[in-house]
Amino acid sequence: SAVISQKPSRDICQRGTSLTIQCQVDSQVTMMFWYRQQPGQSLTLIATANQGSEATYESGFVIDKFPISRPNLTFSTLTVSNMSPEDSSIYLCSVATGGAFFGQGTRLTVV
Amino acid sequence: AQTVTQSQPEMSVQEAETVTLSCTYDTSESDYYLFWYKQPPSRQMILVIRQEAYKQQNATENRFSVNFQKAAKSFSLKISDSQLGDAAMYFCAYCGGSQGNLIFGKGTKLSVKP
Repeated sequence: SAVISQKPSRDICQRGTSLTIQCQVDSQVTMMFWYRQQPGQSLTLIATANQGSEATYESGFVIDKFPISRPNLTFSTLTVSNMSPEDSSIYLCSVATGGAFFGQGTRLTVV
Repeated sequence: AQTVTQSQPEMSVQEAETVTLSCTYDTSESDYYLFWYKQPPSRQMILVIRQEAYKQQNATENRFSVNFQKAAKSFSLKISDSQLGDAAMYFCAYCGGSQGNLIFGKGTKLSVKP
């Protein structure tokens, strides 16, 4: 198993601003994943973050809007840029180590 | 592309009774993993149970068990002796053998009546 610390747990942001979400894992992992969960919906993969290379984005998500950093094997950040109310969602990071484990999630509200 | 379908948006069960949540999936891969997650209002995604496709034996974790039918691509979750704390959203998820990301179903909201 893996323990993932994600922060902030929640935030309320003004439109047009950016928020950076951090995830720290208690062990080294090759891949980290970022998901978005819009209100009342299921989880959708935003991107896969590999250490030492550019993140791989899913269809509908672009690097300019969701830049990701992966400086080492235990840490990653996701930035939600130039936010609009449509970005109000829960954002979750995850690792796959014999199962798939998640951080606590970040509830983002854009006003 | 792989898909996961949960056909029951909502389910209800009486406390101490048994309930089964349905999940079907579509894939052309032979090596994969299947998961059930519980998401309470706290939004934390909690891994309930996992099944490797190459294992014929159904996974069991205490009161939670699965009925894995590989040929039918079915992966249902049975919760026995339901407790009030079992009330949550339940998501079925698929992970390809060569990947690490999950593909989720739309979820089933489970209510437990005292």
